[in-house]
Amino acid sequence: EPEVTQTPSHQVTQMGQEVILRCVPISNHLYFYWYRQILGQKVEFLVSFYNNEISEKSEIFDDQFSVERPDGSNFTLKIRSTKLEDSAMYFCASRVGGASFYEQYFGPGTRLTVT
Amino acid sequence: AQSVTQLDSHVSVSEGTPVLLRCNYSSSYSPSLFWYVQHPNKGLQLLLKYTSAATLVKGINGFEAEFKKSETSFHLTKPSAHMSDAAEYFCVVSDPGNQAGTALIFGKGTTLSVSS
Repeated sequence: EPEVTQTPSHQVTQMGQEVILRCVPISNHLYFYWYRQILGQKVEFLVSFYNNEISEKSEIFDDQFSVERPDGSNFTLKIRSTKLEDSAMYFCASRVGGASFYEQYFGPGTRLTVT
Repeated sequence: AQSVTQLDSHVSVSEGTPVLLRCNYSSSYSPSLFWYVQHPNKGLQLLLKYTSAATLVKGINGFEAEFKKSETSFHLTKPSAHMSDAAEYFCVVSDPGNQAGTALIFGKGTTLSVSS
């Protein structure tokens, strides 16, 4: 069964450094998402991406964040200058269509630790 | 604005007894509702979804949920718990109005513990 994959599984970085989290969505999916879950808190939407542009973003997704689909298979989340409060589990998701009844398929997550 | 409230942060049951995980939602539209499960160190897996068809929805692993519009609830049930059901469960709502984005709104999660 196709699945969403994410790398790395765990990333440790120092405050102020740039990090890139990578995701490979399911191959025929057209809509891509990033979510994050700070330890002990709920999963929060960051951004959605369709047709090579951001279609929706949350208040969390400020200028420090960017997304890209560089090569038609990978979908990346970049944090330009990490802060301690960026420490969280980051989930990538994809879906085949945009309507809400289509399931979003989630990857296993990347745990980001900022020290 | 949409929101989801999971009424219990932790539920403990014995193996073989029924499971009830409670969820209430708030939505201006006819929502799509989902239950996802997260096992330790695993990704989020869809258990079941409601998308304005039958109000009683059956999912994987014997789980089901009933959409009750009058009560704005979407509680998750299973007749008989198994040890492998121990996990974190998330009730999720989706706004059908924004097709391009369609962000999921998560509840805080309910940790299900199953004892032998």
